[in-house]
Amino acid sequence: GAGVSQSPRYKVAKRGQDVALRCDPISGHVSLFWYQQALGQGPEFLTYFQNEAQLDKSGLPSDRFFAERPEGSVSTLKIQRTQQEDSAVYLCASSPDAALIGNQPQHFGDGTRLSIL
Amino acid sequence: GESVGLHLPTLSVQEGDNSIINCAYSNSASDYFIWYKQESGKGPQFIIDIRSNMDKRQGQRVTVLLNKTVKHLSLQIAATQPGDSAVYFCAENGGDNFNKFYFGSGTKLNVKP
Repeated sequence: GAGVSQSPRYKVAKRGQDVALRCDPISGHVSLFWYQQALGQGPEFLTYFQNEAQLDKSGLPSDRFFAERPEGSVSTLKIQRTQQEDSAVYLCASSPDAALIGNQPQHFGDGTRLSIL
Repeated sequence: GESVGLHLPTLSVQEGDNSIINCAYSNSASDYFIWYKQESGKGPQFIIDIRSNMDKRQGQRVTVLLNKTVKHLSLQIAATQPGDSAVYFCAENGGDNFNKFYFGSGTKLNVKP
């Protein structure tokens, strides 16, 4: 596809379960970002990859959150021992090489809506 | 700024009128700004951007104004259409060149036919 693809679109899990959210960025985009969006609020930065290197994970709320991008394309955000406060929409965005080009618009996927019961 | 939680500021306009959506940004080091449109169930969609060496930039039916003195951005939409109904977010880069953005809490635009 031409855009950023995220799966699943919806995920319901019981408190304490582990979840994994997938992001397929636009082909050739070097930079990949994860954001968390609570209901009625703007997206909040979680973490950033340049190819397979995770350059910034300052936004991850706790050590239960883990992201990876082992081959520099698809990325997975994993949340362990989920809590109710983890309920949110998780957005993935990609852009061409941010380190090379600098600031530019990010292209967002439609997100995964995570509900923790 | 502070989050408004579930109670997003709402702007209601009549179809065909012009809309102005305002945003106060927080970091004086920010030198790149973006306006995004987000429809229900969708991800943010790029509308227009502006760098700090400009104070105005125009696109198709949209204009962004930047006032660095008071750290204020506005988005003007001309001849607003029902399809413009969405939540609008401004985002700033915090002076960072690595494309990490900080989003405002959003304004809901409601266009009445």
